[in-house]
Amino acid sequence: GAGVSQTPSNKVTEKGKYVELRCDPISGHTALYWYRQSLGQGPEFLIYFQGTGAADDSGLPNDRFFAVRPEGSVSTLKIQRTERGDSAVYLCASSLMGRGGTSGGGNEQFFGPGTRLTVL
Amino acid sequence: GQQLNQSPQSMFIQEGEDVSMNCTSSSIFNTWLWYKQEPGEGPVLLIALYKAGELTSNGRLTAQFGITRKDSFLNISASIPSDVGIYFCAGPNDYKLSFGAGTTVTVRA
Repeated sequence: GAGVSQTPSNKVTEKGKYVELRCDPISGHTALYWYRQSLGQGPEFLIYFQGTGAADDSGLPNDRFFAVRPEGSVSTLKIQRTERGDSAVYLCASSLMGRGGTSGGGNEQFFGPGTRLTVL
Repeated sequence: GQQLNQSPQSMFIQEGEDVSMNCTSSSIFNTWLWYKQEPGEGPVLLIALYKAGELTSNGRLTAQFGITRKDSFLNISASIPSDVGIYFCAGPNDYKLSFGAGTTVTVRA
């Protein structure tokens, strides 16, 4: 498909376990973003990649959260020692460009369907 | 951080009705975005506004960028069942999007 894909679509884990969430951006998009959406809320920014590097990780809630994008395409969000409060939908988005402007189609963020994480 | 307040929180619509929702911010934005999210999907961009006072349409949707740059309105005309979903306003700070909590639209049976 041509859109952003995320796997798994659902993940149920136990408190204290480690999880990995994967994002495949649109081919050719250099910028990739992770957001977290709690029930009844809008998405909240977590981290932004420009190419392989994390240009802004200011939204990561604590050091249990980490994300990588080693080849500038697929990204993995990793959560260690999961807690019940980590339960949410984790959304990935990509755009053709990133930093440098907000107008025009090059910066439009296209979202994936999300991974629903449930920590028991 | 930037806070976006959306109202109403939810609404029931009758097919054929015109509906309106709005979004206000504590900060000025140079761009306003309106997204729609359906169950099990990510948000999809509906309308982007780039200039204060701008009025932009996308089919039955019309959105306006407030003159103060701290608010925006979205109108849906002649609503149909597939209009159900959650509508979010968002303001970008460069690459980082700040979202409101959404307006949930449900069709009244």
